[in-house]
Amino acid sequence: NAGVTQTPKFQVLKTGQSMTLQCAQDMNHEYMSWYRQDPGMGLRLIHYSVGAGITDQGEVPNGYNVSRSTTEDFPLRLLSAAPSQTSVYFCASSLTGLGNTEAFFGQGTRLTVV
Amino acid sequence: GQSLEQPSEVTAVEGAIVQINCTYQTSGFYGLSWYQQHDGGAPTFLSYNALDGLEETGRFSSFLSRSDSYGYLLLQELQMKDSASYFCATRGNQAGTALIFGKGTTLSVSS
Repeated sequence: NAGVTQTPKFQVLKTGQSMTLQCAQDMNHEYMSWYRQDPGMGLRLIHYSVGAGITDQGEVPNGYNVSRSTTEDFPLRLLSAAPSQTSVYFCASSLTGLGNTEAFFGQGTRLTVV
Repeated sequence: GQSLEQPSEVTAVEGAIVQINCTYQTSGFYGLSWYQQHDGGAPTFLSYNALDGLEETGRFSSFLSRSDSYGYLLLQELQMKDSASYFCATRGNQAGTALIFGKGTTLSVSS
């Protein structure tokens, strides 16, 4: 079982470049989310989706775009990378948005912006 | 909005018991979850409390008091492999939203 798959695992970007972080899940989960993790800051929610065609902003959405055209995929786009976006990015999915629903995480994308 | 507060670091020795506290402020409440993350890895689900009281899963237990907006994760018979970061989390201020996490507690277990 693949679960949640993120690509790439590592990426170095120059300031101003754009890129898309890919996230795919094969569990038919409706809910998908993107988080960034910085030292001492925990996991901060960037964007999330409650189903295909529906997205919403989280705590730190600026500089990022998302779309959800299929249940399986939830890509995160950096429009113009900045050094402040250097972070580890995690994608997560869950079957429902109920409190007792376990979230499954991908292995993360380690992004450095120089 | 929501906020969850937890200590940044906890240290303990093998075989001991450690408690990681979490206090939360939410405009709505949909239960408290706990996740574990080893260094360089992805967070993984440990436990969930919707109602007051203790939930036990092997060496790990989680407690919730909704009246105090407080919960804790209890780890017993600590092992070196329990060295990790532990996060409390709750769903957003309306049902069906994404998980919001505390900043995490780093547990270091020594021999």
